[in-house]
Amino acid sequence: DTGVSQDPRHKITKRGQNVTFRCDPISEHNRLYWYRQTLGQGPEFLTYFQNEAQLEKSRLLSDRFSAERPKGSFSTLEIQRTEQGDSAMYLCASQRAGGYTEAFFGQGTRLTVV
Amino acid sequence: EDQVTQSPEALRLQEGESSSLNCSYTVSGLRGLFWYRQDPGKGPEFLFTLYSAGEEKEKERLKATLTKKESFLHITAPKPEDSATYLCAVATGANSKLTFGKGITLSVRP
Repeated sequence: DTGVSQDPRHKITKRGQNVTFRCDPISEHNRLYWYRQTLGQGPEFLTYFQNEAQLEKSRLLSDRFSAERPKGSFSTLEIQRTEQGDSAMYLCASQRAGGYTEAFFGQGTRLTVV
Repeated sequence: EDQVTQSPEALRLQEGESSSLNCSYTVSGLRGLFWYRQDPGKGPEFLFTLYSAGEEKEKERLKATLTKKESFLHITAPKPEDSATYLCAVATGANSKLTFGKGITLSVRP
């Protein structure tokens, strides 16, 4: 168990550019979540996968955001045409199937849009 | 809509000075209440899960308790290394997604 891994840790991009983040969950976890956290706030739910199926998306997830989890393994979160308001920490979490057990978080990707 | 409110927003303690952090919640059907610790620039680190009123969990200097409306994280004789932001979250619904409070920033002075 090497924990949840996220890449990159930091990303600075110009407004209007596209960015993609990667998350590698704990290997036996089939549930995967993306959250966004801004300064002074708790994480906010963005989207949820069970295996390869994306089962829920938040209203926060505009059309510029897309997430995938091919073959139920790693996941990617892409933001198109970035805006300054997209600047935040993007967190990935994974969880075992069954029940309401704890979710384990990665170290996050800090996005800065300039 | 599920709501989680944490208080106080910030807490400064002297080393050894015990205190409690509060998390109050309004949800439709609590499936679990979670406490996480978050250090600056890092992801949240899991501490405890509580499932039903009256339940208590302990780990080192931390003890978490749960009632039907709130949870407390008690810190006994804190040390400077306990300084961090403590996040409370609730899980409701079928997908186990978490709704977080804003967190409580704890500072412990030596």
